[in-house]
Amino acid sequence: EAGVAQSPRYKIIEKRQSVAFWCNPISGHATLYWYQQILGQGPKLLIQFQNNGVVDDSQLPKDRFSAERLKGVDSTLKIQPAKLEDSAVYLCASSPPGLAGQEQYFGPGTRLTVT
Amino acid sequence: DAKTTQPPSMDCAEGRAANLPCNHSTISGNEYVYWYRQIHSQGPQYIIHGLKNNETNEMASLIITEDRKSSTLILPHATLRDTAVYYCIVRVGSSNTGKLIFGQGTTLQVKP
Repeated sequence: EAGVAQSPRYKIIEKRQSVAFWCNPISGHATLYWYQQILGQGPKLLIQFQNNGVVDDSQLPKDRFSAERLKGVDSTLKIQPAKLEDSAVYLCASSPPGLAGQEQYFGPGTRLTVT
Repeated sequence: DAKTTQPPSMDCAEGRAANLPCNHSTISGNEYVYWYRQIHSQGPQYIIHGLKNNETNEMASLIITEDRKSSTLILPHATLRDTAVYYCIVRVGSSNTGKLIFGQGTTLQVKP
């Protein structure tokens, strides 16, 4: 079974530029999550999708971050414009239908450096 | 904020049992305890979860105290590959929308 795929794995941009991350969850997984992990900290949930609807985006900085999950499969997370404090690893995770959050499968993450 | 408290770091000798403690004194009756680990430069990996009873799988055992205010993750025979950050998490919310709030975890160093 293929795992959660993310791209790119690394990205370096200058502040005020835009960036987008892509995630392909495990086939059949209804719930998709985006996390931000700053160096030395645990992952922080940014947004949770159930199919193509948003369940929780309370921690998403909506003035600069946006996310979508078209057709309830792939998802993209965008930052526009980026700030220095956005430097982090962005993790995508998915979980199967039923008990969301019971067992989340994480991708390898995208490491973003904002200079 | 995370609802759990863990020691920031622990060491364990290879081949010995690693016992990782976690305090969750404010846990509610229907909230589960989850354990994940994160090996360097990888995404977190699910280990085990439980509600009231002790649980065991091929990776680890989870011991939850009777009052549910604390738990211990046991890796019975630690190997060098078990070196990672271990997160104890109380899942907040309902079964369909519950989310995981990660704390800073315990960095376990397994030494030869």
